[in-house]
Amino acid sequence: DTGVSQDPRHKITKRGQNVTFRCDPISEHNRLYWYRQTLGQGPEFLTYFQNEAQLEKSRLLSDRFSAERPKGSFSTLEIQRTEQGDSAMYLCASSFSGTGGDEQYFGPGTRLTVT
Amino acid sequence: AQSVTQLGSHVSVSEGALVLLRCNYSSSVPPYLFWYVQYPNQGLQLLLKYTSAATLVKGINGFEAEFKKSETSFHLTKPSAHMSDAAEYFCAVSPSLFGNEKLTFGTGTRLTIIP
Repeated sequence: DTGVSQDPRHKITKRGQNVTFRCDPISEHNRLYWYRQTLGQGPEFLTYFQNEAQLEKSRLLSDRFSAERPKGSFSTLEIQRTEQGDSAMYLCASSFSGTGGDEQYFGPGTRLTVT
Repeated sequence: AQSVTQLGSHVSVSEGALVLLRCNYSSSVPPYLFWYVQYPNQGLQLLLKYTSAATLVKGINGFEAEFKKSETSFHLTKPSAHMSDAAEYFCAVSPSLFGNEKLTFGTGTRLTIIP
């Protein structure tokens, strides 16, 4: 297995545009997480899924953000009407939840710059 | 609610010297604690985790951490620093034994190794 992958790795967009990021988890992992990391800060939890169900969403998450995992495999994170404050690294992680469990494995991230 | 505080955003040590990175936690439930490392342009990698089985936890790359309930601490140490240890280190807390619910991260400590 090649680990968690994210696409694109870098995205530059103009304020007001919509952007979509993709995350492919480790194949046998049923949980998938999104975090946001700004410069000088630790990752901040956004949301997570078990299979296709979104189990938790941060109260800090603007309604301009939406995440999906339609078939319980890959996930997309969309940001509508981007603002300069959305500039950050968006991290995806996956894990297995079940007998034995497992920790979260992180992808390399997508760096978003809003100009 | 759970939180972690990392004291010292930047730590510099000489090669071969002791590494000590500090983390204090706050939790209303028994915490499960983690240390992650992030190398430039890479995702986070798990160093070690405390799951209540033992208070002294050994991780990868020679790192270890000790859980001290009386001090609400989970400091990370390594007896002898190596140049390859230069990275950013994050302490995190989870309500889940396996860390497969949301992680709450500290703000990170950037470790610099002086040759």
